[in-house]
Amino acid sequence: GAVVSQHPSRVICKSGTSVKIECRSLDFQATTMFWYRQFPKQSLMLMATSNEGSKATYEQGVEKDKFLINHASLTLSTLTVTSAHPEDSSFYICSAISGGASEQFFGPGTRLTVL
Amino acid sequence: GESVGLHLPTLSVQEGDNSIINCAYSNSASDYFIWYKQESGKGPQFIIDIRSNMDKRQGQRVTVLLNKTVKHLSLQIAATQPGDSAVYFCAEGQNDYKLSFGAGTTVTVRA
Repeated sequence: GAVVSQHPSRVICKSGTSVKIECRSLDFQATTMFWYRQFPKQSLMLMATSNEGSKATYEQGVEKDKFLINHASLTLSTLTVTSAHPEDSSFYICSAISGGASEQFFGPGTRLTVL
Repeated sequence: GESVGLHLPTLSVQEGDNSIINCAYSNSASDYFIWYKQESGKGPQFIIDIRSNMDKRQGQRVTVLLNKTVKHLSLQIAATQPGDSAVYFCAEGQNDYKLSFGAGTTVTVRA
């Protein structure tokens, strides 16, 4: 149980375009989802916390207008990288928690390459 | 701000030996600590966690030790296997469930 999926697993896009990444909890309802970014050989950096039905809370230094997060249902959160540039190329990972539980279940990640 | 960090970026271990991965944290308000394993191109995989009211917790082939006095966390892997080769991260959390990850230690198992 507690499976989180991401789609797509990898995406290549041209500079200036927008890319949407989906994060789904497959067998549980995720009251809260988190979005992380990981650059090569670095750690995971939390970008934002997404609660179903409310606005996401962004970490300091993360542009909310560039990284649009929508958590419209208890099983789906989306991250849209708007006007992507090469420096946005990274590994984007989501995680989800259910109800009052503290354990985060991580998705497999999405590799974004911006040309 | 405070962050979680790791003492060593790499660890090479002979197959069958025990591995010890260390982590130093600085946020004394953290009450939840987790070890994750991440293989190349994949998301983090939960290994074991421990709460601040404990100093040791054991799982299958793994043991986590927490020393709150010196803000130190370690992961011990018994009888290390080739499949244990990965990057290991410690993470700390508080009541709001947000996690702060350490830098990561790359473990390489020699046959």
